[in-house]
Amino acid sequence: KQEVTQIPAALSVPEGENLVLNCSFTDSAIYNLQWFRQDPGKGLTSLLLIQSSQREQTSGRLNASLDKSSGRSTLYIAASQPGDSATYLCAVNQAGTALIFGKGTTLSVSS
Amino acid sequence: SAVISQKPSRDICQRGTSLTIQCQVDSQVTMMFWYRQQPGQSLTLIATANQGSEATYESGFVIDKFPISRPNLTFSTLTVSNMSPEDSSIYLCSVETGDTLTYGYTFGSGTRLTVV
Repeated sequence: KQEVTQIPAALSVPEGENLVLNCSFTDSAIYNLQWFRQDPGKGLTSLLLIQSSQREQTSGRLNASLDKSSGRSTLYIAASQPGDSATYLCAVNQAGTALIFGKGTTLSVSS
Repeated sequence: SAVISQKPSRDICQRGTSLTIQCQVDSQVTMMFWYRQQPGQSLTLIATANQGSEATYESGFVIDKFPISRPNLTFSTLTVSNMSPEDSSIYLCSVETGDTLTYGYTFGSGTRLTVV
């Protein structure tokens, strides 16, 4: 059974810092890995999707990497801003199946 | 990618009653997924709903408690039956976008349910 773990559970940083969020999964036979952002009481916003054949994806200040063989992904956020404060969720799936989520990392960026 | 309209956005319900949550997608999709997010927790899959067949439920979730309808390729409902305070959660629907390999999965905005 696929399990997804995210470390750290919570992170507080001052504005401007670069930071890394970690995600690991137990079954390397994944189809996609997707990073989401969730603001308090809100739904999910997709940030980046990495196909199993890819090693990284970038969008603006965000960069996600994937090491499928070791079952790991990282989300790198450059020059963090208070607006980045949210919970970041990592999820994986196999072809045609639902996403399996980690418990998330709650990020707080202070000004 | 697909756009999902989920209703209601929130509700406060009395214990013992039922609430039906609706998800409307702007395109035809094969599978729809229903998730529960309990306070302070991550998302847990409740069931997968395919049009024309019964939903497939995950361990710990049963059809009598969470009946699901999927009458066509753009619409689904989840009912939370005989509610208790433990059912207070955010419920979300999700679909594969047109090209899962490229776009992944899209989520509705969620229904925040409080049972009193």
